[in-house]
Amino acid sequence: GQQLNQSPQSMFIQEGEDVSMNCTSSSIFNTWLWYKQEPGEGPVLLIALYKAGELTSNGRLTAQFGITRKDSFLNISASIPSDVGIYFCAGRNSGAGSYQLTFGKGTKLSVIP
Amino acid sequence: DTEVTQTPKHLVMGMTNKKSLKCEQHMGHRAMYWYKQKAKKPPELMFVYSYEKLSINESVPSRFSPECPNSSLLNLHLHALQPEDSALYLCASSQDERVGSVFGQGTRLTVV
Repeated sequence: GQQLNQSPQSMFIQEGEDVSMNCTSSSIFNTWLWYKQEPGEGPVLLIALYKAGELTSNGRLTAQFGITRKDSFLNISASIPSDVGIYFCAGRNSGAGSYQLTFGKGTKLSVIP
Repeated sequence: DTEVTQTPKHLVMGMTNKKSLKCEQHMGHRAMYWYKQKAKKPPELMFVYSYEKLSINESVPSRFSPECPNSSLLNLHLHALQPEDSALYLCASSQDERVGSVFGQGTRLTVV
């Protein structure tokens, strides 16, 4: 089956630093999604990417859909304490009726004030 | 309304109980999902409803029974669960299969 390798598994950074995390896949995806999950809550969609090469920003967050369709990265600039949480990438290989999302294992982000 | 609402937020049930989890969205989304999430793991897909019809069942045991009464509601009926079924159960919805899903807050289920 499809697998997503997400790295790093965890990060401890100083407030104000930039953060970068990425996902790679053994197969092609047509959609890449980035979610953030805080303890006791459901995942929140941060950025959705639908086209190879697409670069999209949402405030301090920037994500790119790799040109090979097998990878994506998420950058967070000037981190703040409320960025703490687990970040998941997810890929979808859309075809007719293809609703399945493949999730990465998550990157746990800790921000030291 | 841009939310997926799940009730209850917490549920403790015995192995002989019958209970139901409820999910509601009013965004006009045509696909609704149930996921199970264990601690420190990503969500795992259980069921997908598309246009109120079950389109995916990821080999989930029959003690979990989904129901989609209408396009805004999704239920998950629970019966004779095991302690290992304790997890966060997440509902999600999406406009269709091409776009990102919106997740609810989840129901934290504990089976005793």
